[in-house]
Amino acid sequence: GAVVSQHPSWVICKSGTSVKIECRSLDFQATTMFWYRQFPKQSLMLMATSNEGSKATYEQGVEKDKFLINHASLTLSTLTVTSAHPEDSSFYICSARKTSGGYTDTQYFGPGTRLTVL
Amino acid sequence: GESVGLHLPTLSVQEGDNSIINCAYSNSASDYFIWYKQESGKGPQFIIDIRSNMDKRQGQRVTVLLNKTVKHLSLQIAATQPGDSAVYFCAENTYQAGTALIFGKGTTLSVSS
Repeated sequence: GAVVSQHPSWVICKSGTSVKIECRSLDFQATTMFWYRQFPKQSLMLMATSNEGSKATYEQGVEKDKFLINHASLTLSTLTVTSAHPEDSSFYICSARKTSGGYTDTQYFGPGTRLTVL
Repeated sequence: GESVGLHLPTLSVQEGDNSIINCAYSNSASDYFIWYKQESGKGPQFIIDIRSNMDKRQGQRVTVLLNKTVKHLSLQIAATQPGDSAVYFCAENTYQAGTALIFGKGTTLSVSS
């Protein structure tokens, strides 16, 4: 199988604090991981692409200083929401690309992290 | 910009019926397509994928059809069950290595007993 985990599954924090979300590929190595956010009843919006050992690539409109991404190993990427505010409350989902040898690499998604900022 | 979209936001069917969920894409460079199922409060779950050199692919109770001429993708679910109730997203990708998936807006499938 191809399992991706996220931790924590939900978090409530006070405005102004920072929150770290972990994304792990449990049974495969992932050179590329992706971070998405999803608002209620909406689709997934790509925030950034994380490559192991290099800087993340952020989508237009996503503040890289606010959403810090670190991909230190082939099985772990972290997203830190710095100085969180209520508008950052959302469902954050990561995915990991499982390399099958071809360019059509399947992405597997984590279960998501529900962030609520009070 | 180019994006992947779905024709209908909701689809209601009876248990046992066959369901067809449609998706139109606009990026002619896309050559890999995936259907995901997302249940409430969970991450997307891979269902089935298809490459652009194919026009049909079958899985267990699911079939994906690709019509490149009209840039249309569909997911057929046979003998729909209540457990199939979820939001279904189509997503596309291109040959460029590392390119992230582009997701459509989603179709909510409701299956009644």
